[in-house]
Amino acid sequence: AQSVTQLGSHVSVSEGALVLLRCNYSSSVPPYLFWYVQYPNQGLQLLLKYTSAATLVKGINGFEAEFKKSETSFHLTKPSAHMSDAAEYFCAVSYDTGTASKLTFGTGTRLQVTL
Amino acid sequence: AAGVIQSPRHLIKEKRETATLKCYPIPRHDTVYWYQQGPGQDPQFLISFYEKMQSDKGSIPDRFSAQQFSDYHSELNMSSLELGDSALYFCASGLPGSFGGELFFGEGSRLTVL
Repeated sequence: AQSVTQLGSHVSVSEGALVLLRCNYSSSVPPYLFWYVQYPNQGLQLLLKYTSAATLVKGINGFEAEFKKSETSFHLTKPSAHMSDAAEYFCAVSYDTGTASKLTFGTGTRLQVTL
Repeated sequence: AAGVIQSPRHLIKEKRETATLKCYPIPRHDTVYWYQQGPGQDPQFLISFYEKMQSDKGSIPDRFSAQQFSDYHSELNMSSLELGDSALYFCASGLPGSFGGELFFGEGSRLTVL
């Protein structure tokens, strides 16, 4: 069974500081990995995805993530946090079944950005 | 660009009532997924459809049913509503060949059961 574990349900950083949100996966087959962001009372927006091309993936809003097979990790980073980054972040995993392949989400990490 | 459209955005029902949520996928997307997100929870997969056939089933209660119609829109029907059904219900659409299921989510329908 495939799953993702997000370490830390809440992360607080100062504006301008490095953002690091952790995600580890377990999958019996090569996974596809995603990071989604959810702002209050809104839907889920895709930040970036890993699909076995490049291990370092760049996404929107200055975020990036690195797939590390040896560590089964896909941590999300941003060099300098902005107040507008405050949101809930979900790591998700799926694999290609050739038809419909659902996403399985982690429990989420709430990012707080302080002045 | 067109996005996934969900209606209604907000719905208030009494216990034991019935509710229907609708989802209109992005044009040319033929897969639809339904997720339920309780307060402070991660989205839980309910059910999915590919080309109007059910393709996968998750933790969907027997009181719930769903289908995908010929125009690819989908409806989630919930009967005998319980307080615990209060949640944000997301619909997502995607293409089957989209490398492991990149999904595009709607804004969600918030169901409150009183």
